[in-house]
Amino acid sequence: QQPVQSPQAVILREGEDAVINCSSSKALYSVHWYRQKHGEAPVFLMILLKGGEQKGHEKISASFNEKKQQSSLYLTASQLSYSGTYFCGTAKAAGNKLTFGGGTRVLVKP
Amino acid sequence: SAVISQKPSRDICQRGTSLTIQCQVDSQVTMMFWYRQQPGQSLTLIATANQGSEATYESGFVIDKFPISRPNLTFSTLTVSNMSPEDSSIYLCSVVEKGIHYGYTFGSGTRLTVV
Repeated sequence: QQPVQSPQAVILREGEDAVINCSSSKALYSVHWYRQKHGEAPVFLMILLKGGEQKGHEKISASFNEKKQQSSLYLTASQLSYSGTYFCGTAKAAGNKLTFGGGTRVLVKP
Repeated sequence: SAVISQKPSRDICQRGTSLTIQCQVDSQVTMMFWYRQQPGQSLTLIATANQGSEATYESGFVIDKFPISRPNLTFSTLTVSNMSPEDSSIYLCSVVEKGIHYGYTFGSGTRLTVV
């Protein structure tokens, strides 16, 4: 079953913050976050394993609440390069297939 | 991370014909996945390609329509058979390297248009 992402789209000014959420109805082993720019392949940002850990990549961080089966991606002090579509992908076991959410379009304006 | 060469990058095909997409990886990987992405949409898994065994297809996808080969640990092909305009989409292969902390790497994609 596809995880649910929210919001579907967000427009930011450079330097602003945003949060993207990803929820699953099933128990998860891991949550992945990817960013895809127009006409390009998705690029891996980070992986979070069950255990409620938090990770960071530049000024992008994420958390995983195992009890709620929810993950959040935090865009801090957004840069123009952060524009793109963000997808969460969930897996039920290590190395297992990923099921992707519907995506969140992020546009960062100057 | 692994580097994937996916070919062709794009093609325009006549309905009723078939197209074979190739993915070559620069390292040995156990799991390879084939996804489809409609323009502006999310990624939908077609099948998991395992070396030495038949591919595992997701609901809504069948082997006769999307036959997959996986002759070794670095190469796989996806064929889109008897194409119709509804098959117009971007097709991507993806791999995951050993180690639970690795993300999945995607090929650059094949943009298919069926006319």
